[in-house]
Amino acid sequence: DIQMTQSPSSLSASVGDRVTITCRASQGIRNDLGWYQQKPGKAPKRLIYAASSLQSGVPSRFSGSGSGTEFTLTISSLQPEDFATYYCLQHNTYPYTFGQGTKLEIK
Amino acid sequence: EVQLVESGGGLVKPGGSLRLSCAASGFAFRDYSMKWVRQAPGKGLEWVSSISSSSSFIYYADSVKGRFTVSRDNAKNSLYLQMNSLRVEDTAVYYCARGTVWGSYPFDYWGQGTLVTVSA
Repeated sequence: DIQMTQSPSSLSASVGDRVTITCRASQGIRNDLGWYQQKPGKAPKRLIYAASSLQSGVPSRFSGSGSGTEFTLTISSLQPEDFATYYCLQHNTYPYTFGQGTKLEIK
Repeated sequence: EVQLVESGGGLVKPGGSLRLSCAASGFAFRDYSMKWVRQAPGKGLEWVSSISSSSSFIYYADSVKGRFTVSRDNAKNSLYLQMNSLRVEDTAVYYCARGTVWGSYPFDYWGQGTLVTVSA
């Protein structure tokens, strides 16, 4: 199985900060990776697909990069509505696997 | 507008069975693969199962293989998850999500989830 190691597991930041979350795959997955935002009691929402493509309707302060085994999600200037939990998901090989999640909290 | 609406969750005893449904609308359901994902209380996301558009290809997580069966009815725009021999550790919110059609990327739309609680 492909392991997705996501870091950090939690992060405290302030409005306006730039933050980066990383996912590392245990083997190459090309660009078959998405990033998801989840707020309490809600379904996950896709932010990024194909590692670096911005989902329609998602603010441009979100960006993704990487290919192969190293991937990053960057939020360029945190807004109050961005405090949530973020997950990466690889869909290159079954079983599909998620990162452990990064809880982004207000400092 | 793409909509996915899960139903069928509830409280069941260990060893029991439950059938989840996911009603799809707003897109050509018959052309897309579909997925099930679950989330135990306070935990992360776990992929459960995938089914291709024609049901020709089906995949399961090891944790549910042999106990869960995914199926679909394209005439009814519906996805199902039959869960047998349920365990306490199957307690979770179960989400259906849209998969792929040629050239697209999966997990773009998700339902709101349905809670399954396995407890004596």
